[in-house]
Amino acid sequence: EVQLVESGGGLVQPGGSLRLSCAASEVTVSNTYISWVRQAPGKGLEWVSLIYSGGSTYYADSVKGRFIISRDDSRNTLYLQMNSLRPEDTAVYYCARDGRSSGWFGYFDYWGQGTLVTVSS
Amino acid sequence: QSVLTQPPSVSAAPGQKVTISCSGSSSNIGSNYVSWYQQLPGTAPKLLIYDSYKRPSGIPDRFSGSRSDTSATLGITGLQTGDEADYYCGTWDSSLSAVVFGGGTKLTVL
Repeated sequence: EVQLVESGGGLVQPGGSLRLSCAASEVTVSNTYISWVRQAPGKGLEWVSLIYSGGSTYYADSVKGRFIISRDDSRNTLYLQMNSLRPEDTAVYYCARDGRSSGWFGYFDYWGQGTLVTVSS
Repeated sequence: QSVLTQPPSVSAAPGQKVTISCSGSSSNIGSNYVSWYQQLPGTAPKLLIYDSYKRPSGIPDRFSGSRSDTSATLGITGLQTGDEADYYCGTWDSSLSAVVFGGGTKLTVL
């Protein structure tokens, strides 16, 4: 079965940087669409970024210019480089696989367990 | 402020039926499929409905989905205490070039 395992979360000061990883198994990241979705404490789901199998990337306006999504096909791993972090970026970050992986977007059929990012001084 | 609008909460008694609405616009629900997710406390979201009305393997037929114009609805029949969770709708927004979610609906089974 598909497994997605996030890591890299932690406490970071405002203005700092952090890189999250999402290691995939039973799915090839280069052949699928994968997104980062976050959830602030006590709040709803917020889509952050998406990378298509062809390499195109999309970002939510709230993170555009600060976050970069990428992948390492040799490691079958997805990354989210987060720069210029703000307190409002505090959230659990999930990676999620698009079960259709065609067209613009299908649906998220597999999710990781999430990794917590806390931005605070 | 979410692009898709859901009621903050719904409630019903065990065994009863409940519906959760998700309202959008022509650029999202009006032109793209909708998916629904269930999130139990402290866990990652789980796919319940995709392509507006299809159920993944393992999801009981107590859960159903529909879409009409710029709105979508999740229906749950035969409510169980284990259905108490937050429910989210999601889709692609063609104007924003972004995945959008509803604000979530908390289901209480009284």
